[in-house]
Formats: sequence, structure tokens, C-alpha cells
Amino acid sequence: GESVGLHLPTLSVQEGDNSIINCAYSNSASDYFIWYKQESGKGPQFIIDIRSNMDKRQGQRVTVLLNKTVKHLSLQIAATQPGDSAVYFCAENHDNYGQNFVFGPGTRLSVLP
Amino acid sequence: GAGVSQSPSNKVTEKGKDVELRCDPISGHTALYWYRQRLGQGLEFLIYFQGNSAPDKSGLPSDRFSAERTGESVSTLTIQRTQQEDSAVYLCASSLRTSGETQYFGPGTRLLVL
Repeated sequence: GESVGLHLPTLSVQEGDNSIINCAYSNSASDYFIWYKQESGKGPQFIIDIRSNMDKRQGQRVTVLLNKTVKHLSLQIAATQPGDSAVYFCAENHDNYGQNFVFGPGTRLSVLP
Repeated sequence: GAGVSQSPSNKVTEKGKDVELRCDPISGHTALYWYRQRLGQGLEFLIYFQGNSAPDKSGLPSDRFSAERTGESVSTLTIQRTQQEDSAVYLCASSLRTSGETQYFGPGTRLLVL
């Protein structure tokens, strides 16, 4: 799969600011997308999902935006907190992939005090 | 209810030994996935099970890797003749069905091959 080796893209934000994490996906026919959060030493945790018939979905402090024209997905975190520090992965799914999702390489979010 | 569980949480082994990793999916989830995650990297798909259908083994990196699942319950991932490059976190996930369903992940097994 894709990877960026040992140097994940990193986003540093001040506590209280908003964070925007971006993801470019590969298949224009993908119809379901998920954002996962992975804290150090733990497995990925589901944050929010969106289907291709929508372009925006909001959760608690998080918003996912989908731009199918440019195959771009973003995760917005409002009022970022220290507990938000983690690696964030996007995942895309389509029947043509068979039975598995394709995961992006991940972005490390670091929240500065 | 209980989430996905995996055991052992950590495993240190010597090169050339076999290891067996276990995954208990969420009850009622028919789909089960194994992934490998090397340090600082993304998720690499290994194998997928859906009910009693033949598993999708397309992600297994070599014939040293195999996995089994009994019905819709426990799965084991076996790595024979381990190599240092097998060192990674092995993650298991389950979902209600297949396409278009959220996968829920276990905490992973951290494998270190010396």
C-alpha cells in the first residue's frame, strides 16, 4: 500500500485553533469514506463517515467535506484540544476494491499548548 | 458491547520461529480483516473473511503468512519462519457486512522479530 516511510506528514496547531486535515483519494467511483483517529499504541478509531451522495457531514466538533470533482476529502476539527493529538487516516471504499478499504498514508496532528 | 480484541498485545520472537496472532471480532460482525502497520506508516491490507465465503488473500505478502477463521468468530493469523521485516503492528478489524460498512479495529498485536 501507499506509505510515506518513517516521516508522516505533520500538522501542528495551537490548542483552541481549528485543524484541517486533507486527504486525496484515488478512485473517482469510491462511494463511502471514513476518517479514523489512531492514538499512540492503539488501533484506529472511527471518527466520522460520509457517503458520496453528500458533500458535508458534521459530528461533534468534527466536520468532513467531500469534493468529488477533485477527489478530495478533508476533516475539520473545531477548537482543537490536546487529546486530539494523533495520526488521522482517511479510507475509501468501493465495490471494485473487492472486500477491503484503501487507507491513506495518514497525517500526524500535534496540538501545541 | 465488547469491541474487537486481539492477543497477545505484544510478541517478541526470534527469527525463524512461527507466531500465531488471535482476533476476536465484535459479535454479529460477519466481515473480518487483517492489516499490517509498520512503524510510522499506513495500513497494509493482508486478508479478508466474509462469512463462509472463500477469504480474499490478495494482500498476503508471502506464503509464510496464512490466516483462518471459524465461521463468524475467532480468526488466527499465522506467520511461519518469521523474518525481521515482519516486525510490525498487526491490526484486526470487523464490520457488519462488507462494502460500505464501518470497520472497527482492535488494539493490535505488536510483533518484534529479533
